[in-house]
Amino acid sequence: DIQMTQSPSTLSASVGDTVTITCRASQTISTWLAWYQQKPGKAPKVLIYKASSLESGVPSRFSGSGSGTEFTLTISSLQPDDFATYYCQQYNSPFTTFGGGTKVEIK
Amino acid sequence: QVQLQESGPGLVKPSETLSLTCSVSGGSINGYYWSWIRQPPGKGLEWIGYMYHSGTTNNNPSLKSRVTISLDKSKNQVSLKLRSVTAADTAVYYCARGHWGMTPRCEWFDPWGQGTLVTVSS
Repeated sequence: DIQMTQSPSTLSASVGDTVTITCRASQTISTWLAWYQQKPGKAPKVLIYKASSLESGVPSRFSGSGSGTEFTLTISSLQPDDFATYYCQQYNSPFTTFGGGTKVEIK
Repeated sequence: QVQLQESGPGLVKPSETLSLTCSVSGGSINGYYWSWIRQPPGKGLEWIGYMYHSGTTNNNPSLKSRVTISLDKSKNQVSLKLRSVTAADTAVYYCARGHWGMTPRCEWFDPWGQGTLVTVSS
């Protein structure tokens, strides 16, 4: 299995901040990576696919980068609606796996 | 706009079989991967498995042979059976449509159903 490790597990930030979440893969996955946002009691929603492609309808303050084993999700000018938990998912392998999640909290 | 809705018992006894159905509306099952993903309370996401509309399936090795995913094209439904459940199988279960096209496999998931909580307890 490809293990996905996210850091930090929790992040405290203020509205207007720029935040970065890191996801590391245990082996190279090219750019076959997606990012999701999940709010309490709701299903995850895809934000980014293929490491850096923005899903339709997702605000441009969300951006993704990386390839190989290290990836980042950046949220520029954090908005109140962005406080949530974020997950990465690799789909390089037929056995897809998710990272453990990063909770973005209000400072 | 495609919408997914999970349904099934919210309580299952240990050693029994968990059975869930996902009803797909606003689009066809054909041409897509259909997956089940679960999330234990307060924890992260775990992929359970998927079935392609052609019948190809793939399951999480950690769940071994306990999982069966099937499609009913006449009803536009996706089903999950998880056998011999224990308390560790208590989770919110989501069905999700798998995107494909850039690779020859299931890629990212969109949309998702709202999820259904299944508790395993006697």
